[in-house]
Amino acid sequence: AQTVTQSQPEMSVQEAETVTLSCTYDTSESDYYLFWYKQPPSRQMILVIRQEAYKQQNATENRFSVNFQKAAKSFSLKISDSQLGDAAMYFCAYSGATNKLIFGTGTLLAVQP
Amino acid sequence: NAGVTQTPKFQVLKTGQSMTLQCAQDMNHEYMSWYRQDPGMGLRLIHYSVGAGITDQGEVPNGYNVSRSTTEDFPLRLLSAAPSQTSVYFCASIPSGASGNTIYFGEGSWLTVV
Repeated sequence: AQTVTQSQPEMSVQEAETVTLSCTYDTSESDYYLFWYKQPPSRQMILVIRQEAYKQQNATENRFSVNFQKAAKSFSLKISDSQLGDAAMYFCAYSGATNKLIFGTGTLLAVQP
Repeated sequence: NAGVTQTPKFQVLKTGQSMTLQCAQDMNHEYMSWYRQDPGMGLRLIHYSVGAGITDQGEVPNGYNVSRSTTEDFPLRLLSAAPSQTSVYFCASIPSGASGNTIYFGEGSWLTVV
């Protein structure tokens, strides 16, 4: 069975600084997708970024980028120029052949002004 | 553009009561699923459906029933509510096709069982 692990329950970053959130996963599948979701206090689930496993190039969306290391099964999220609005819970998630989305336990990010 | 609609948004139940959380999507998505979110646990899959008439269990199905009589609707039934079912519930849908498609989440339903 696939698993997703987020080992940082909480992180803190100064406004305008850069922070990296860690995620590791385990799977025997060769074709899959990885996601980072943001969940603000409203509890809305917002897709931040998506990575296709067969693509070697790391995905980037504005200030958000990933470091995807397929052999190490690692998928970290880097947030550059952190803003107060980035404060939220961040979930790493995996989707394989069955479309079932498997989530990590989340990292609560605080942004200090 | 309604997307995925969940009702009710908030509900308080007494232990032993039954209720149904409604989920509807207007995007003709084949795949629908229910998750529960608990502190420190992330989101865990309860049940899912790959199309009308087809349902299957996820990671934590005990105490919940689902049905999928239409493509649009995927209700989640709590048969006899227990305090352990106090949680935030999310319904999600995905277009048919390859995995990795954008997943659409409802806004969540807060359930408290006393």
